[in-house]
Amino acid sequence: QKEVEQNSGPLSVPEGAIASLNCTYSDRGSQSFFWYRQYSGKSPELIMFIYSNGDKEDGRFTAQLNKASQYVSLLIRDSQPSDSATYLCAVKTKNFNKFYFGSGTKLNVKP
Amino acid sequence: DTAVSQTPKYLVTQMGNDKSIKCEQNLGHDTMYWYKQDSKKFLKIMFSYNNKELIINETVPNRFSPKSPDKAHLNLHINSLELGDSAVYFCASSQERLITPNEQFFGPGTRLTVL
Repeated sequence: QKEVEQNSGPLSVPEGAIASLNCTYSDRGSQSFFWYRQYSGKSPELIMFIYSNGDKEDGRFTAQLNKASQYVSLLIRDSQPSDSATYLCAVKTKNFNKFYFGSGTKLNVKP
Repeated sequence: DTAVSQTPKYLVTQMGNDKSIKCEQNLGHDTMYWYKQDSKKFLKIMFSYNNKELIINETVPNRFSPKSPDKAHLNLHINSLELGDSAVYFCASSQERLITPNEQFFGPGTRLTVL
Protein backbone atom coordinates (compact mmCIF):
# COMPACT_ATOMS: atom_id res chain seq x y z
CA GLN A 1 0.00 0.00 0.00
CA LYS A 2 1.32 3.42 -0.94
CA GLU A 3 1.65 6.03 1.77
CA VAL A 4 -0.44 8.56 -0.18
CA GLU A 5 -3.00 7.64 -2.80
CA GLN A 6 -4.72 9.81 -5.37
CA ASN A 7 -6.88 9.11 -8.37
CA SER A 8 -4.68 9.88 -11.37
CA GLY A 9 -7.60 11.23 -13.42
CA PRO A 10 -7.89 13.08 -15.66
CA LEU A 11 -10.70 14.90 -13.94
CA SER A 12 -12.57 17.08 -16.40
CA VAL A 13 -14.85 19.90 -15.26
CA PRO A 14 -16.43 22.79 -17.17
CA GLU A 15 -15.29 26.33 -16.49
CA GLY A 16 -17.07 27.80 -13.48
CA ALA A 17 -17.77 24.43 -11.86
CA ILE A 18 -16.39 23.06 -8.59
CA ALA A 19 -13.47 20.64 -8.93
CA SER A 20 -13.07 18.12 -6.11
CA LEU A 21 -9.73 16.39 -5.64
CA ASN A 22 -9.24 13.62 -3.11
CA CYS A 23 -6.35 12.00 -1.30
CA THR A 24 -6.02 9.22 1.29
CA TYR A 25 -3.00 8.41 3.43
CA SER A 26 -1.91 5.35 5.36
CA ASP A 27 0.07 6.69 8.34
CA ARG A 28 -2.40 7.60 11.07
CA GLY A 29 0.28 9.61 12.82
CA SER A 30 0.67 12.01 9.90
CA GLN A 31 0.80 15.60 11.03
CA SER A 32 0.57 18.03 8.13
CA PHE A 33 -1.04 17.90 4.74
CA PHE A 34 -0.24 19.88 1.63
CA TRP A 35 -1.67 20.47 -1.80
CA TYR A 36 0.72 21.37 -4.60
CA ARG A 37 -0.09 22.35 -8.15
CA GLN A 38 2.26 21.33 -10.95
CA TYR A 39 1.96 22.65 -14.48
CA SER A 40 3.47 20.52 -17.23
CA GLY A 41 7.24 20.95 -17.31
CA LYS A 42 7.27 23.07 -14.16
CA SER A 43 8.05 22.47 -10.50
CA PRO A 44 5.39 21.88 -7.84
CA GLU A 45 4.10 25.03 -6.17
CA LEU A 46 2.29 25.08 -2.84
CA ILE A 47 -1.40 25.96 -2.90
CA MET A 48 -2.49 25.19 0.65
CA PHE A 49 -1.59 23.30 3.78
CA ILE A 50 -3.82 22.05 6.58
CA TYR A 51 -3.08 20.32 9.87
CA SER A 52 -6.33 20.49 11.86
CA ASN A 53 -9.51 18.56 11.19
CA GLY A 54 -12.10 20.53 9.28
CA ASP A 55 -12.02 23.04 6.46
CA LYS A 56 -9.54 25.72 5.55
CA GLU A 57 -10.43 28.28 2.91
CA ASP A 58 -8.15 30.49 0.84
CA GLY A 59 -9.80 32.34 -2.00
CA ARG A 60 -11.30 29.83 -4.43
CA PHE A 61 -9.56 26.93 -2.70
CA THR A 62 -10.80 24.92 0.28
CA ALA A 63 -8.81 22.14 1.88
CA GLN A 64 -10.67 19.59 3.98
CA LEU A 65 -9.08 17.20 6.46
CA ASN A 66 -10.62 14.20 8.19
CA LYS A 67 -7.97 12.45 10.28
CA ALA A 68 -10.34 9.72 11.47
CA SER A 69 -10.92 8.68 7.86
CA GLN A 70 -7.33 9.51 6.84
CA TYR A 71 -8.68 11.63 4.06
CA VAL A 72 -7.82 15.06 2.71
CA SER A 73 -9.45 16.88 -0.17
CA LEU A 74 -9.13 20.07 -2.17
CA LEU A 75 -12.10 21.93 -3.61
CA ILE A 76 -11.61 24.50 -6.33
CA ARG A 77 -14.62 26.79 -6.79
CA ASP A 78 -15.33 28.67 -10.02
CA SER A 79 -12.73 26.56 -11.85
CA GLN A 80 -10.78 28.36 -14.56
CA PRO A 81 -8.88 26.95 -17.55
CA SER A 82 -5.72 28.23 -15.85
CA ASP A 83 -6.39 25.75 -13.03
CA SER A 84 -5.68 22.90 -15.47
CA ALA A 85 -2.66 21.15 -13.99
CA THR A 86 -1.66 18.13 -11.93
CA TYR A 87 -2.48 18.45 -8.24
CA LEU A 88 -0.19 16.65 -5.82
CA CYS A 89 -1.19 15.72 -2.30
CA ALA A 90 1.69 15.56 0.20
CA VAL A 91 1.75 14.29 3.75
CA LYS A 92 4.32 14.93 6.46
CA THR A 93 4.65 12.01 8.83
CA LYS A 94 5.89 11.80 12.41
CA ASN A 95 9.30 10.82 11.06
CA PHE A 96 11.47 13.87 11.02
CA ASN A 97 11.13 15.81 7.77
CA LYS A 98 9.66 12.87 5.89
CA PHE A 99 7.23 13.90 3.19
CA TYR A 100 5.28 11.52 0.99
CA PHE A 101 3.65 12.61 -2.23
CA GLY A 102 0.76 11.09 -4.09
CA SER A 103 1.08 10.45 -7.80
CA GLY A 104 -1.13 13.43 -8.55
CA THR A 105 -4.53 14.04 -10.14
CA LYS A 106 -4.62 15.70 -13.53
CA LEU A 107 -7.34 18.34 -13.73
CA ASN A 108 -8.70 19.65 -17.04
CA VAL A 109 -10.96 22.69 -16.92
CA LYS A 110 -12.78 23.09 -20.22
CA PRO A 111 -13.73 26.59 -21.40
CA ASP B 1 15.16 36.83 -6.02
CA THR B 2 14.67 34.51 -3.08
CA ALA B 3 14.36 30.99 -4.40
CA VAL B 4 15.65 27.50 -4.82
CA SER B 5 17.87 27.22 -7.88
CA GLN B 6 19.29 24.19 -9.64
CA THR B 7 21.89 23.68 -12.33
CA PRO B 8 21.86 22.44 -14.97
CA LYS B 9 18.25 22.61 -16.16
CA TYR B 10 18.84 19.90 -18.76
CA LEU B 11 21.43 17.13 -18.72
CA VAL B 12 21.87 14.64 -21.55
CA THR B 13 24.58 12.03 -21.14
CA GLN B 14 25.67 8.54 -22.06
CA MET B 15 25.21 5.44 -19.95
CA GLY B 16 28.13 4.82 -17.61
CA ASN B 17 29.07 8.50 -17.19
CA ASP B 18 29.27 10.36 -13.89
CA LYS B 19 27.37 13.62 -13.47
CA SER B 20 26.48 16.16 -10.78
CA ILE B 21 23.50 18.40 -10.17
CA LYS B 22 23.81 21.46 -7.95
CA CYS B 23 21.19 23.10 -5.75
CA GLU B 24 21.23 26.34 -3.80
CA GLN B 25 18.59 28.04 -1.68
CA ASN B 26 18.68 31.57 -0.31
CA LEU B 27 15.55 31.26 1.79
CA GLY B 28 17.50 30.70 4.98
CA HIS B 29 16.01 27.22 5.40
CA ASP B 30 17.73 24.54 7.43
CA THR B 31 16.51 21.49 5.51
CA MET B 32 17.04 20.49 1.90
CA TYR B 33 15.81 17.55 -0.17
CA TRP B 34 16.31 15.70 -3.40
CA TYR B 35 13.30 14.19 -5.17
CA LYS B 36 13.05 12.10 -8.31
CA GLN B 37 9.98 12.46 -10.54
CA ASP B 38 9.53 9.69 -13.07
CA SER B 39 7.59 9.69 -16.32
CA LYS B 40 4.37 8.90 -14.44
CA LYS B 41 4.81 12.11 -12.41
CA PHE B 42 5.37 10.21 -9.16
CA LEU B 43 7.50 12.39 -6.90
CA LYS B 44 9.67 10.29 -4.62
CA ILE B 45 11.99 11.52 -1.90
CA MET B 46 15.61 10.41 -2.19
CA PHE B 47 17.53 12.31 0.47
CA SER B 48 17.04 14.97 3.09
CA TYR B 49 19.64 17.04 4.92
CA ASN B 50 19.10 19.14 8.00
CA ASN B 51 21.87 21.59 8.90
CA LYS B 52 24.27 19.70 6.62
CA GLU B 53 23.48 16.35 8.24
CA LEU B 54 21.90 13.49 6.31
CA ILE B 55 18.59 12.59 7.97
CA ILE B 56 16.69 10.74 5.26
CA ASN B 57 18.27 8.25 2.90
CA GLU B 58 15.59 6.33 1.08
CA THR B 59 16.19 3.14 -0.84
CA VAL B 60 18.42 4.69 -3.44
CA PRO B 61 21.33 2.95 -5.22
CA ASN B 62 24.66 3.93 -3.72
CA ARG B 63 25.61 5.31 -7.13
CA PHE B 64 23.76 8.39 -5.87
CA SER B 65 25.73 10.44 -3.37
CA PRO B 66 24.46 13.72 -1.94
CA LYS B 67 26.78 16.33 -0.50
CA SER B 68 25.88 19.36 1.57
CA PRO B 69 28.84 21.74 1.98
CA ASP B 70 26.65 24.17 3.94
CA LYS B 71 23.01 24.77 4.83
CA ALA B 72 22.32 26.61 1.59
CA HIS B 73 23.68 23.99 -0.79
CA LEU B 74 22.85 20.37 -1.55
CA ASN B 75 24.49 18.69 -4.52
CA LEU B 76 23.76 15.31 -6.05
CA HIS B 77 26.46 13.23 -7.69
CA ILE B 78 25.51 10.20 -9.75
CA ASN B 79 28.05 7.56 -10.77
CA SER B 80 27.77 5.04 -13.61
CA LEU B 81 24.53 6.43 -14.97
CA GLU B 82 21.90 3.96 -16.13
CA LEU B 83 18.92 4.31 -18.48
CA GLY B 84 16.53 4.06 -15.53
CA ASP B 85 18.06 7.17 -13.99
CA SER B 86 16.35 9.29 -16.65
CA ALA B 87 13.87 11.50 -14.80
CA VAL B 88 13.37 15.01 -13.51
CA TYR B 89 15.26 15.66 -10.29
CA PHE B 90 13.89 18.32 -7.98
CA CYS B 91 15.66 20.01 -5.14
CA ALA B 92 13.52 21.47 -2.36
CA SER B 93 14.02 23.27 0.93
CA SER B 94 12.01 23.91 4.07
CA GLN B 95 12.41 25.31 7.55
CA GLU B 96 11.76 22.70 10.21
CA ARG B 97 9.34 23.95 12.88
CA LEU B 98 7.81 22.09 15.79
CA ILE B 99 4.33 23.56 15.59
CA THR B 100 3.34 25.02 12.23
CA PRO B 101 3.62 23.03 9.00
CA ASN B 102 6.92 23.46 7.23
CA GLU B 103 6.03 23.64 3.59
CA GLN B 104 8.62 22.84 0.97
CA PHE B 105 9.75 25.12 -1.82
CA PHE B 106 10.92 23.46 -5.00
CA GLY B 107 13.62 24.31 -7.47
CA PRO B 108 12.89 24.36 -11.23
CA GLY B 109 14.06 20.78 -11.73
CA THR B 110 16.83 19.12 -13.73
CA ARG B 111 15.71 16.91 -16.59
CA LEU B 112 18.25 14.10 -16.86
CA THR B 113 18.27 11.96 -20.01
CA VAL B 114 20.56 8.96 -20.14
CA LEU B 115 21.18 7.58 -23.65
